[in-house]
Amino acid sequence: QVQLQESGPGLVKPSETLSLTCTVSGGSISDHSWSWIRQPAGKGLEWIGRVYASGTTKYNPSLKSRVTMSVDRSKNQFSLKLDSVSAADTAVYYCARDRGRWVSDYWGRGTLVTVSS
Amino acid sequence: DIQMTQSPSSLSASVGDSVTITCQASQDIGTNLHWYQQKPGKAPKLLIHDAINVETGVPARFRGRGSGTSFTFSIRSLQPEDVATYYCQQFDDLPRVTFGPGTKVDIK
Repeated sequence: QVQLQESGPGLVKPSETLSLTCTVSGGSISDHSWSWIRQPAGKGLEWIGRVYASGTTKYNPSLKSRVTMSVDRSKNQFSLKLDSVSAADTAVYYCARDRGRWVSDYWGRGTLVTVSS
Repeated sequence: DIQMTQSPSSLSASVGDSVTITCQASQDIGTNLHWYQQKPGKAPKLLIHDAINVETGVPARFRGRGSGTSFTFSIRSLQPEDVATYYCQQFDDLPRVTFGPGTKVDIK
């Protein structure tokens, strides 16, 4: 059974960089593409971007200038970096496995990241 | 940009009722739409892909219909475990993947 687990600091200071890692178990990261989605408390879902096993990325244009995603095949992990964060970036961040047709079929449990000084 | 709307924003129905949620796209997206269920405090779960296809393992009481700009998601015989927020997601306007605002479903 495929499982995903997000990890990273739960508190980030304004203007700093948010860094999260998603560890994949029960499957190879080389076989799929991988996404990050976030959800502010009480609000809807926002797609952040996708990284392919090759390292190619697709980002939400609204976040593109601040987002970097990468894959570490040796660790079966992928990561998210979001620069210059503000309170508006406070959210639960989910990682997910994508299959064809932009379906996210396996999700992590999510991790809350709070941006505050 | 493609705008996604959902209606109603919330609904309350009795166990055994049928409920229907509508998702509208601001332009033709074909069948490039999925439906997800999110229970409180949990990650979203894929229910319907490509507008009409029920994901493997998902109960048959969930149904998706539509194409173009108008889509519906239905639950036949609502169950207590169906209490959740339901989101549509379009992937036609890549890479601008967007979710609808969600519809919260409760039991009366």
